[in-house]
Amino acid sequence: AQTVTQSQPEMSVQEAETVTLSCTYDTSESDYYLFWYKQPPSRQMILVIRQEAYKQQNATENRFSVNFQKAAKSFSLKISDSQLGDAAMYFCAYRSALEYGNKLVFGAGTILRVKS
Amino acid sequence: DSGVTQTPKHLITATGQRVTLRCSPRSGDLSVYWYQQSLDQGLQFLIQYYNGEERAKGNILERFSAQQFPDLHSELNLSSLELGDSALYFCASSVVSGGFFGNTEAFFGQGTRLTVV
Repeated sequence: AQTVTQSQPEMSVQEAETVTLSCTYDTSESDYYLFWYKQPPSRQMILVIRQEAYKQQNATENRFSVNFQKAAKSFSLKISDSQLGDAAMYFCAYRSALEYGNKLVFGAGTILRVKS
Repeated sequence: DSGVTQTPKHLITATGQRVTLRCSPRSGDLSVYWYQQSLDQGLQFLIQYYNGEERAKGNILERFSAQQFPDLHSELNLSSLELGDSALYFCASSVVSGGFFGNTEAFFGQGTRLTVV
């Protein structure tokens, strides 16, 4: 079974600064997808960024980028120019490309606090 | 707004009772997923339906059951409720089911907050 580990329960960043959230995962599969989801106080789960394992290029979405290291099974999220609206719980998630179903396996989450 | 609608938003009930949570997926989405978010277990996958059929099962208790109806809405039934069932229950939907065609975004509803007292 796949597992996802987020070792940072909580992180803080100054507004306009850069922060990196860590995520490692364990799988024996070669084809899969990785995601970062954001959960603000509204509880809504919002997709931030996704990465296909077969792509070597790291995904980027505006101020959000990932560092995907397949051999190390590492998938960190970098948030540049942090804004107050980035404060939320962030979840790293894994989805197999081989399983019949399509479930997401989530890490425990990292609370991100943004200081003004 | 993700387009996934969950009702009710909040639910308070007593131990031993039975409740039904409802989910309407985004228009055109055939897959529906149920997740449970609790303080001690985190976000856990419960079950997936695709076009009316069960597609994948996770850590879903025997006291819990789900179904997807012909109009594609889904219901999660929780029975013999215990204090530990208090959690946020999310429904998500996506167009496809999985595999190599699974690289489609799963859109989440706002969740149903269940409190068992």
